[in-house]
Amino acid sequence: GAVVSQHPSRVICKSGTSVKIECRSLDFQATTMFWYRQFPKKSLMLMATSNEGSKATYEQGVEKDKFLINHASLTLSTLTVTSAHPEDSSFYICSASPTGGTQYFGPGTRLTVL
Amino acid sequence: GDSVTQMEGPVTLSEEAFLTINCTYTATGYPSLFWYVQYPGEGLQLLLKATKADDKGSNKGFEATYRKETTSFHLEKGSVQVSDSAVYFCALSDPQTSYDKVIFGPGTSLSVIP
Repeated sequence: GAVVSQHPSRVICKSGTSVKIECRSLDFQATTMFWYRQFPKKSLMLMATSNEGSKATYEQGVEKDKFLINHASLTLSTLTVTSAHPEDSSFYICSASPTGGTQYFGPGTRLTVL
Repeated sequence: GDSVTQMEGPVTLSEEAFLTINCTYTATGYPSLFWYVQYPGEGLQLLLKATKADDKGSNKGFEATYRKETTSFHLEKGSVQVSDSAVYFCALSDPQTSYDKVIFGPGTSLSVIP
């Protein structure tokens, strides 16, 4: 149980385009999901907290207009990287908790912006 | 604020050697503590957890004990295998400050050689 999926696993896009990443909780409902970014050989940096039915809460320094988060249902949150630039290239990981406390992580999405 | 400190490595061990990865934390309340593992190119997997003082989490031969007096949660394994090569993250979740958020340490890269 407690499986979280992400799609796509890898995406390559041109600079200036937008990319959408989906995060789904497959066997539980999650009112809250989290989006992280991981740079090579670095730890995870929390970007935002995605709340079902309301606006996401962004961490300090994260551009909310660039990283659009939509928590459409209790099992789906999406992260859209708008007007992507090469410096947005990174590994994006989402997580969710069925009951609170223990977070279960998706397999991650590798974004490469050319 | 809450934080997690761990030895950054990289750590290189021979197969069947004993592993210790130190982790200490700072928290306002009574956090839950976690070890996550990330294999190359993949997302994070929960390795083990402990939710209160003196709890011991264990999984796949790894174990860690929640030590409130020393604010530590060191990861140990008696005999490592090549397949244990990965990055290990110590983490905490503090319900007193941010119930569902997970705060990560910097990660420790482990390489096990035959």
